Amino acid sequence: DQQVKQNSPSLSVQEGRISILNCDYTNSMFDYFLWYKKYPAEGPTFLISISSIKDKNEDGRFTVFLNKSAKHLSLHIVPSQPGDSAVYFCASYNAGNMLTFGGGTRLMVKP
Amino acid sequence: KAGVTQTPRYLIKTRGQQVTLSCSPISGHRSVSWYQQTPGQGLQFLFEYFSETQRNKGNFPGRFSGRQFSNSRSEMNVSTLELGDSALYLCASSFQPGQGLGEAFFGQGTRLTVV
Repeated sequence: DQQVKQNSPSLSVQEGRISILNCDYTNSMFDYFLWYKKYPAEGPTFLISISSIKDKNEDGRFTVFLNKSAKHLSLHIVPSQPGDSAVYFCASYNAGNMLTFGGGTRLMVKP
Repeated sequence: KAGVTQTPRYLIKTRGQQVTLSCSPISGHRSVSWYQQTPGQGLQFLFEYFSETQRNKGNFPGRFSGRQFSNSRSEMNVSTLELGDSALYLCASSFQPGQGLGEAFFGQGTRLTVV
């Protein structure tokens, strides 16, 4: 049973436009969420996080929104750049402090 | 400071063999976690070690095992390899388990191919 789900395996966006990556979770005990970015042949790198006491966290072009009632979070990238093309994973710590990842969304930003 | 180092980067083994992968965490980090990444399965948690003790274990068969040494370096072992074990194995280190003083930092991974 996947506790963290990314229902869109891929997303294609034009350069300069907004990219919106979505993530749903099932466990209401999750209270800290992270986004990781992964290029081929490299390990994931931490991008941005959000605590459940907030509903928005912004860092430059990246903003994460959290909707606790819907158990949904999203990552917005504005403006999107070709270098943003990668696989994006959302993740959360569960009660046992294990980092649980979604299946990933491959973002392709076209020049 | 140096990042998370995983060795080897690439490995080819035959079915039935065993393999040992190594992970050196960032200096000062005491928590090491292992993940398996396969196409379509995302990142699957294998196990987590902190201060030489296994704190958590994912839903993998007993053929997958690990350990952590006093210097925080960690190894994972897979015995009786199966074709389905072909994957990218990632190691992540953090200062302490769970959310805390920093997020987990990943190594580049070991690409294991079982033929």
